[in-house]
Amino acid sequence: QKEVEQNSGPLSVPEGAIASLNCTYSDRGSQSFFWYRQYSGKSPELIMFIYSNGDKEDGRFTAQLNKASQYVSLLIRDSQPSDSATYLCAPAPGGYNKLIFGAGTRLAVHP
Amino acid sequence: GAVVSQHPSWVICKSGTSVKIECRSLDFQATTMFWYRQFPKQSLMLMATSNEGSKATYEQGVEKDKFLINHASLTLSTLTVTSAHPEDSSFYICSASRQGSSYNEQFFGPGTRLTVL
Repeated sequence: QKEVEQNSGPLSVPEGAIASLNCTYSDRGSQSFFWYRQYSGKSPELIMFIYSNGDKEDGRFTAQLNKASQYVSLLIRDSQPSDSATYLCAPAPGGYNKLIFGAGTRLAVHP
Repeated sequence: GAVVSQHPSWVICKSGTSVKIECRSLDFQATTMFWYRQFPKQSLMLMATSNEGSKATYEQGVEKDKFLINHASLTLSTLTVTSAHPEDSSFYICSASRQGSSYNEQFFGPGTRLTVL
């Protein structure tokens, strides 16, 4: 069983809309999560980190964590074509252990 | 802060040759570095975890004799693809965890695109 599940998409949203990206996880012990963004042909970049239940906002991005339901989501408000990328979620590892990424959701924001 | 560099950014080589890729943490000490490979339109695949001063831990299915990893210092890890073949053509990405980080986030290098002719 995969530790992290994401819908591969593509998720297509019009410019200016809210994009909602979801991630479910199987390990109840996971306490915190990273969201990475990867543009085509580039390496991933860290965009959000959330470690407590509820919402965390950073500019147009809001991460939501629901430990009881074992899902974490990323909302992108006022989506822009420059947000078109693959978004990867991963539970934060203990120690210096490896990240286990979901397959990622490809987001396409069209003008 | 937390910048990771890779060199070279791209390389083209002949089949049978060896290629070395360097990964450096420029402004922090990295206790652990990770090497990934990504084929077009596919997910990141972790190849190995590298700790300074010790042998790398390879993921299942990754040949340790073909992909040699050396982590000689807290700021440098190298991946050598030995006797490269066309099927080794891929995008190789390293990442590093910052020593003393509270959350163990990984910072990624820009990647190295390897083409084997």
